[in-house]
Amino acid sequence: QKEVEQDPGPLSVPEGAIVSLNCTYSNSAFQYFMWYRQYSRKGPELLMYTYSSGNKEDGRFTAQVDKSSKYISLFIRDSQPSDSATYLCAMSADQGAQKLVFGQGTRLTINP
Amino acid sequence: DGGITQSPKYLFRKEGQNVTLSCEQNLNHDAMYWYRQDPGQGLRLIYYSQIVNDFQKGDIAEGYSVSREKKESFPLTVTSAQKNPTAFYLCASSMGGFGAVNQPQHFGDGTRLSIL
Repeated sequence: QKEVEQDPGPLSVPEGAIVSLNCTYSNSAFQYFMWYRQYSRKGPELLMYTYSSGNKEDGRFTAQVDKSSKYISLFIRDSQPSDSATYLCAMSADQGAQKLVFGQGTRLTINP
Repeated sequence: DGGITQSPKYLFRKEGQNVTLSCEQNLNHDAMYWYRQDPGQGLRLIYYSQIVNDFQKGDIAEGYSVSREKKESFPLTVTSAQKNPTAFYLCASSMGGFGAVNQPQHFGDGTRLSIL
């Protein structure tokens, strides 16, 4: 069993929809959680960075962490075609967040 | 503009050949990392360095080597011992050195390596 599981998709939704992306994990020591967005042939771009359980909002993006269920989510409101990309969750147990464990990535397409 | 520069963008390797991928950052970050990305497998850590002249193996270091002679540079050599080198290689950096807290990693735009 992988330490971090992420549904690879692909996920296709109409423009304006609310998108929910999810990861589950098995290591209860993880306490730093990140979401990256990766466009084709580009490096991952940091979207959200959270510590421990709770919610964090940034514009149209909300990151949610439930440590009791070992489950994290990224919600995208009012989705746009420019949101079409692969979304990677990543997490770390160390306080420097240096040893990251990544999910497989979910490929998302927003249809105009 | 501050950032991480990886070169070349595309690289081809012949059988038995070593190739070196370049990674340079001007963010004044202490820590640097190399990852390999394969389809459907996410990113896997090859090597990382928290400070100049020091580096640690990651989860898949076999067949790879690195050096960290300067703070801004962390080249990766893919040796002939790496039997399946075809992948997308990503370099990252973060402010964190030893004892750092809450320092997310930022990535370059990768090098795609293929076998001839």
